[in-house]
Amino acid sequence: EAGVTQFPSHSVIEKGQTVTLRCDPISGHDNLYWYRRVMGKEIKFLLHFVKESKQDESGMPNNRFLAERTGGTYSTLKVQPAELEDSGVYFCASSQLEGFGYTFGSGTRLTVV
Amino acid sequence: AQSVTQLDSHVSVSEGTPVLLRCNYSSSYSPSLFWYVQHPNKGLQLLLKYTSAATLVKGINGFEAEFKKSETSFHLTKPSAHMSDAAEYFCVVSPIYNQGGKLIFGQGTELSVKP
Repeated sequence: EAGVTQFPSHSVIEKGQTVTLRCDPISGHDNLYWYRRVMGKEIKFLLHFVKESKQDESGMPNNRFLAERTGGTYSTLKVQPAELEDSGVYFCASSQLEGFGYTFGSGTRLTVV
Repeated sequence: AQSVTQLDSHVSVSEGTPVLLRCNYSSSYSPSLFWYVQHPNKGLQLLLKYTSAATLVKGINGFEAEFKKSETSFHLTKPSAHMSDAAEYFCVVSPIYNQGGKLIFGQGTELSVKP
């Protein structure tokens, strides 16, 4: 089966610009998660979708971040406007059962300059 | 609250020698514990998981980990390192089932393997 796919693999943007990251989960996986790792820190949870609904968005850092999952398939994570501290690697994962059997994507490395 | 601490940020071993990556956890409940590995430019790959069955868990590529409740540890070991084992390893704790899908990661341990 195809894995979790993330686009783009790398993105370099200027402070104040907007960036949209995309995640295509494994087909049939209702659960989709976003995590990120900023430089020198541990990987931290951002949010969790069940189908198109946000189950838990307690890890979203602020209102510059907007996640969507229209139709319960792929998800996007928009950062607007981007700040320097948003630089890091953004991971997406999906699972069939909540909390079990995660499959992670390769991540999107975001650099804000 | 749950947390996980990886005791070494970097471990260096010679090829053919044993690997030990240390992890301690804190949990109010009997946790689910995982080890993930990330090779450069690759996704996070599950090595092994503990979910309250056998305390010695065998994973892929010859890795294994032992759950020790008395020591709150879940150290990852491999008898003989291979060059391809060079990667970053993450110890992860999961909330109890049905309490959400949020994984809690350790800080990561970078494993270097010298020829």
